[in-house]
Amino acid sequence: KAGVTQTPRYLIKTRGQQVTLSCSPISGHRSVSWYQQTPGQGLQFLFEYFSETQRNKGNFPGRFSGRQFSNSRSEMNVSTLELGDSALYLCASSPGVIAGNTIYFGEGSWLTVV
Amino acid sequence: GIQVEQSPPDLILQEGANSTLRCNFSDSVNNLQWFHQNPWGQLINLFYIPSGTKQNGRLSATTVATERYSLLYISSSQTTDSGVYFCAVEADSSYKLIFGSGTRLLVRP
Repeated sequence: KAGVTQTPRYLIKTRGQQVTLSCSPISGHRSVSWYQQTPGQGLQFLFEYFSETQRNKGNFPGRFSGRQFSNSRSEMNVSTLELGDSALYLCASSPGVIAGNTIYFGEGSWLTVV
Repeated sequence: GIQVEQSPPDLILQEGANSTLRCNFSDSVNNLQWFHQNPWGQLINLFYIPSGTKQNGRLSATTVATERYSLLYISSSQTTDSGVYFCAVEADSSYKLIFGSGTRLLVRP
């Protein structure tokens, strides 16, 4: 069974641009969550979606947004990119019907903002 | 919110040695997972262990939920065990993981 798939794996953007990252969860999983990893802040939760509804959101500015489609695939968008947005963005999936399930991560998208 | 602390922050071992990594958390949890982050950034699931003990080959983990800590044991370490080990917890059925700052392990041949 395929794992969590994230695209693109690597990208370079310029300050002020926007970026969209995509995530396909494990087949049958309906919960998708996103995390940002930076050397200074570690791994931080961005948001979580289940059945196209956002159930929780981390403490990030409104420039960070996400959505989930009816096939459970998810996208996250960062607008007006700043140098500090350079990070590894990780997507995770779980069955998600109830809390406390095992959560599986994708390989991540490495974003560099110049 | 819940706090997660991992120790030690850094660990250097000779190949073949055993080690214990610790994770303390400040409140009750409904999910606790251990991950190994590989050099390419992917978080590899090691254990889902909100309570009890589990073993998988040379790795084992124990979580004592009443005392709010978890231990990851690595026996007969190999150079491929090198990397960063993270403990992460979910509390209050929040659907989000709170990560510790990790233990960076280097196993020397």
